[in-house]
Amino acid sequence: DQQVKQNSPSLSVQEGRISILNCDYTNSMFDYFLWYKKYPAEGPTFLISISSIKDKNEDGRFTVFLNKSAKHLSLHIVPSQPGDSAVYFCAASVYGGSNYKLTFGKGTLLTVNP
Amino acid sequence: DAGVIQSPRHEVTEMGQEVTLRCKPISGHNSLFWYRQTMMRGLELLIYFNNNVPIDDSGMPEDRFSAKMPNASFSTLKIQPSEPRDSAVYFCASKPTGNTIYFGEGSWLTVV
Repeated sequence: DQQVKQNSPSLSVQEGRISILNCDYTNSMFDYFLWYKKYPAEGPTFLISISSIKDKNEDGRFTVFLNKSAKHLSLHIVPSQPGDSAVYFCAASVYGGSNYKLTFGKGTLLTVNP
Repeated sequence: DAGVIQSPRHEVTEMGQEVTLRCKPISGHNSLFWYRQTMMRGLELLIYFNNNVPIDDSGMPEDRFSAKMPNASFSTLKIQPSEPRDSAVYFCASKPTGNTIYFGEGSWLTVV
């Protein structure tokens, strides 16, 4: 049972336009959400996160929106740049005492065309 | 600052051989994770340690897989005997207090 779903395996956008990557989750216990970016032959790197007590977090060109009632989050990149081309993973965590679990979606390959 | 360091970066081995992957977490981080990435399953958590103690190994696929963390600066993931379906990228990651984990660059394993 996949608890974190990224239903779009790939997305292609034009440089300068907005990229919107979507993520859905099923476990209502998740209380913290993260986006990671991964270039080929490298490990995933942390991009931006949001706590369940917020509905928006912004960092430069990157904004994450959280809709708890819909169990949905999205990552907006504005404006998109060719260097943003990578695989983006959505992840969700539950923090309970010493037991910490971070569950990933399967990723969305973003291609930003010059 | 040095990130999570993994070795080897690439390993090609024959079916039936033992494979040992190594990881040095970021200094001061108290949690360590082993993930496996495949096309079919994406990023799967295999096992995680907190203060060198295994907390959750429910993702370890079979008894052929084992992981150890003898001290705060070193962990191994061992596969014995290896099989072609173990071919994947294995990531080690570490985490300080908080929610963000930091990944190494991965060990690319091919079992032929």
